[in-house]
Amino acid sequence: DAKTTQPTSMDCAEGRAANLPCNHSTISGNEYVYWYRQIHSQGPQYIIHGLKNNETNEMASLIITEDRKSSTLILPHATLRDTAVYYCIVRVAGRGSTLGRLYFGRGTQLTVWP
Amino acid sequence: SQTIHQWPATLVQPVGSPLSLECTVEGTSNPNLYWYRQAAGRGLQLLFYSVGIGQISSEVPQNLSASRPQDRQFILSSKKLLLSDSGFYLCAWRRYLGAGMNTEAFFGQGTRLTVV
Repeated sequence: DAKTTQPTSMDCAEGRAANLPCNHSTISGNEYVYWYRQIHSQGPQYIIHGLKNNETNEMASLIITEDRKSSTLILPHATLRDTAVYYCIVRVAGRGSTLGRLYFGRGTQLTVWP
Repeated sequence: SQTIHQWPATLVQPVGSPLSLECTVEGTSNPNLYWYRQAAGRGLQLLFYSVGIGQISSEVPQNLSASRPQDRQFILSSKKLLLSDSGFYLCAWRRYLGAGMNTEAFFGQGTRLTVV
């Protein structure tokens, strides 16, 4: 079962920053926060992940609160092609039968307007 | 580089017919493999998970089964499809680097199954 809570939908003007929140109040110390996005009728695409430090890559930045109970994905300059459903996921590192699974919630539908 | 292939892209099958969806991964070895289903307007539901050949973990009781006959091949099957099996099926893989190591998952482009 998904362990995260996200808003159902958000809008953003093209060229502006899109800030997507995620609550994961029951996160454990060894659980990472992952973000994926899914453009309509395609497979999800990995964006970024982190444990407790803020992370940045060529796609986005991930800000994790000090208590790790929430995080924000930031797309610094949203484009029309960033319109997608964004999923926030928490998962435990590992491989065994009870670890390493990826559980997706319903995500946030981000719509970028021209 | 690693790639994941999933086919077919779309499929229309009558109720009661069998199903076989295939997923293969290239450019890596001993990956973790996943099957997900996405019903219309819903999130992704994890169906099956595999850490190695012949090792399948089922997440939810259902009309489907999975098999991993080779290291980089993952097959989703059904003997008799139900209307409720309609959906968007996604295969994914993740590299295993060792205990405690985190890697991202890579998804195929999906199969849209319509059971009529």
